[in-house]
Amino acid sequence: KNEVEQSPQNLTAQEGEFITINCSYSVGISALHWLQQHPGGGIVSLFMLSSGKKKHGRLIATINIQEKHSSLHITASHPRDSAVYICAVSSNQFYFGTGTSLTVIP
Amino acid sequence: DAGVIQSPRHEVTEMGQEVTLRCKPISGHNSLFWYRQTMMRGLELLIYFNNNVPIDDSGMPEDRFSAKMPNASFSTLKIQPSEPRDSAVYFCASSLGLAAYEQYFGPGTRLTVT
Repeated sequence: KNEVEQSPQNLTAQEGEFITINCSYSVGISALHWLQQHPGGGIVSLFMLSSGKKKHGRLIATINIQEKHSSLHITASHPRDSAVYICAVSSNQFYFGTGTSLTVIP
Repeated sequence: DAGVIQSPRHEVTEMGQEVTLRCKPISGHNSLFWYRQTMMRGLELLIYFNNNVPIDDSGMPEDRFSAKMPNASFSTLKIQPSEPRDSAVYFCASSLGLAAYEQYFGPGTRLTVT
C-alpha cells in the first residue's frame, strides 16, 4: 500500500478549464509538498503546506489534516500548465505519490 | 543565488564503470537530498543529509551506491560498479531544514549505463 495516493493518474483538459488534482495520505505529516515537473525538465516546488490553503497566481493548494487529504487547483488552465504534478509528504520520512500527468489542450 | 548545481548534466558510461555525481546546494541550506527518478518507479528518495551528516539512507538501493557530504557546499553520489538498471535521472535538492521546509531541486543528471 502506498502511503501517498494521487488521483487522477492522467488528466486532459481544455484550455481555460478548472482543474483539480487530489492527494490522500495515510501517515502523520509535518508538511505536504506539491511539485511540478515539465516534460524533460527539472522539478519545481509549487507549495509546501501544513494547514489551510495557499495561493500563487492561478494555483491554489488546500489541505485537510483531519481527513489527510490535499487538493491542487489550477484556475483558467493553460497549455503551459501541462506537466506532471507530484504530491509528497514529509514526516520522519518522505513519501511520494506517483504523480498526475496533466495535458492542457489549446 | 545560482540555485542547486549538479554536474554532469548527462553521463553515459559502460556497465561496470564507476560513476560520480556531484551536487552543490544553495548557500545557507543545511539539508541535502538525493533522488532518483525512473519511468517505472517514479521519484525515489535515496538519502538525505542534515548539517553534512547522513540522516536516512534507507532509500539507497544497494551497497553499490554511496553518498558523501564532506562539507556544507558539496555532496557526491557514487555508483560502483554501475549497471544498466541504474539508468535514471538523479536529482539533488537542498532546503533550510528537513521535514517542514521547501526543497529546491537541481536540474538533474541523466545517467545512461550501457
